[in-house]
Amino acid sequence: SQTIHQWPATLVQPVGSPLSLECTVEGTSNPNLYWYRQAAGRGLQLLFYSVGIGQISSEVPQNLSASRPQDRQFILSSKKLLLSDSGFYLCAWSTTRADEQYFGPGTRLTVT
Amino acid sequence: GNSVTQMEGPVTLSEEAFLTINCTYTATGYPSLFWYVQYPGEGLQLLLKATKADDKGSNKGFEATYRKETTSFHLEKGSVQVSDSAVYFCALSPYGGSQGNLIFGKGTKLSVKP
Repeated sequence: SQTIHQWPATLVQPVGSPLSLECTVEGTSNPNLYWYRQAAGRGLQLLFYSVGIGQISSEVPQNLSASRPQDRQFILSSKKLLLSDSGFYLCAWSTTRADEQYFGPGTRLTVT
Repeated sequence: GNSVTQMEGPVTLSEEAFLTINCTYTATGYPSLFWYVQYPGEGLQLLLKATKADDKGSNKGFEATYRKETTSFHLEKGSVQVSDSAVYFCALSPYGGSQGNLIFGKGTKLSVKP
């Protein structure tokens, strides 16, 4: 069966510090991968998606970036965090043959 | 464009009450429709889906029917339990198939009291 992992589970970082969040998927190959942000009281905002190694599409302009160094690894990064980057970050995957997505447990990021 | 509109929450019900959470959508193609559930502090879990008009998705006592004529996908459950307390998200995949990106509603928080 497929599983998706995210770490860390929680993170508190000062403004201006770098960020690296990691997501890995097990039990499938060549998945589509996604990063979402969920701000308090709001819905989900798609940040990035990837259909293959090194292929990243950005949905919104921001100071975040994403990379996919391996088939089942997806990384969300920032060089300098802003207060507005606080939120709950969710990674998700889907197959290339169906459109439902499966979500990881999330990372709670607080920028202070 | 493509969008999803959910009823505003929070929704508070007593145990064993009937639940309806309204969801309507706008789509230019033939979307697939989904309901996801998020328990406190967790990621989203796929609850049910429907891929074409008149399809009924069902899971864990929840049901939703894809109504193309009213562009709706309302979530229903006949008898809610305390354990159903969560945030529920309606979502669509604009083109169906494997196009990937989902568009979510803002979520409806459900609280069930014993």
